[in-house]
Amino acid sequence: QSMLTQPPSASGTPGQRVTISCSGRSSNIGSNTVNWYQQLPGTAPKLLIYSNDQRPSGVPDRFSVSKSGTSASLAISGLQSEDEADYYCAAWDDSLDGVVFGGGTKLTVL
Amino acid sequence: EVQLLESGGGLVQPGGSLRLSCAAFGFTFSNYAMTWVRQAPGKGLEWISVIGDNTYYADSVKGRFSISRDNSKDTLYLQMTSLRVEDMAVYYCAKAVGVAARGARFDFWGQGTLVTVSS
Repeated sequence: QSMLTQPPSASGTPGQRVTISCSGRSSNIGSNTVNWYQQLPGTAPKLLIYSNDQRPSGVPDRFSVSKSGTSASLAISGLQSEDEADYYCAAWDDSLDGVVFGGGTKLTVL
Repeated sequence: EVQLLESGGGLVQPGGSLRLSCAAFGFTFSNYAMTWVRQAPGKGLEWISVIGDNTYYADSVKGRFSISRDNSKDTLYLQMTSLRVEDMAVYYCAKAVGVAARGARFDFWGQGTLVTVSS
């Protein structure tokens, strides 16, 4: 069972803005940075974005994040077909002394 | 260019052992924490272990799996024992953004190696 809770699916049409939520506890999201990973079909995950909209080189600014208390969210604006992927949130958990992942959200671009 | 190449996956019987390796290229290996994350078929990501300035394990593998590294060979290892059917997954190694294991985020991932546990 995942320690972070994400909706299993999300969808949108090209150009739309979609958000994916991630809910946790005080020991993880409430205390630590939330990292978001993108996994395109058939490929390995890649780090997408983390605290205060920090993005690795090459990640467009259409992706943004926010956090409030024990919840976080990933927003994708100007949705494109290449954004169709699985998205995972993750954070360190101080109680478990380990990383916890969300169950993943499958994003479909209609 | 950072590259991570996992190897050592394969078919093993329940109760058996397997050692995975992850060869690293393109960065100063000793300066970064490294992790193993697995993904069961059709399922989500599950963190397994991280090694850097400290070492941590997920409860699901504690006592059965052991992470180690050889900085002289730029290689990360995962020794897996007492394997169970539920350990069957693609195992990814990934590089952290710093040497700190606690709170690490992982900026480069390998392509994974498949471990099949079946009799």
